[in-house]
Amino acid sequence: GESVGLHLPTLSVQEGDNSIINCAYSNSASDYFIWYKQESGKGPQFIIDIRSNMDKRQGQRVTVLLNKTVKHLSLQIAATQPGDSAVYFCAETPEEGAQKLVFGQGTRLTINP
Amino acid sequence: EAQVTQNPRYLITVTGKKLTVTCSQNMNHEYMSWYRQDPGLGLRQIYYSMNVEVTDKGDVPEGYKVSRKEKRNFPLILESPSPNQTSLYFCASSRTWEPGPRGNIQYFGAGTRLSVL
Repeated sequence: GESVGLHLPTLSVQEGDNSIINCAYSNSASDYFIWYKQESGKGPQFIIDIRSNMDKRQGQRVTVLLNKTVKHLSLQIAATQPGDSAVYFCAETPEEGAQKLVFGQGTRLTINP
Repeated sequence: EAQVTQNPRYLITVTGKKLTVTCSQNMNHEYMSWYRQDPGLGLRQIYYSMNVEVTDKGDVPEGYKVSRKEKRNFPLILESPSPNQTSLYFCASSRTWEPGPRGNIQYFGAGTRLSVL
């Protein structure tokens, strides 16, 4: 069935290091993926997206990698800052034309000074 | 400022007392959606709307109703709330529902924390 999951529920990194948050999905027909950031007390905020016809996309300090062979998605955050502390969710459109996003459970990223 | 506004932010009620959580967006978005967020379960879609007068069930629609009479508003109605509907609720909207440049990136409200006693 369709599901989006995460390898680790929590991740702690040192300030200034790079962070890598992973996400596995089970539906090979998934067409579109988004990463969201949710800070405490706020709604999820869009970070970056990627279509299934791409394997890499870069934004400001963030990179999303998509490996369709193993159905794996990752979010890389360069030079992690205290403001990056949040819960990160991956979400997928389970198939082209599907009118919904399916969210993973989330990974809490904690930055150590 | 472009935003999705939910009200109230916090609500405590009792079993069976009808309630409505309002959602309004000022971005002229066609697509709107309601989610609930529970520990360990992530965000699960309750209902969504492709446009005015067009609504459909998400993954967990039981016990909820919605309406979309105007493009900007998408209220969530709990006719007879029960304790298992205690949760954090989010409304979201997107310009449309077409995969492509930013078409279906959803923008979220700040959330409504509901407790049903």
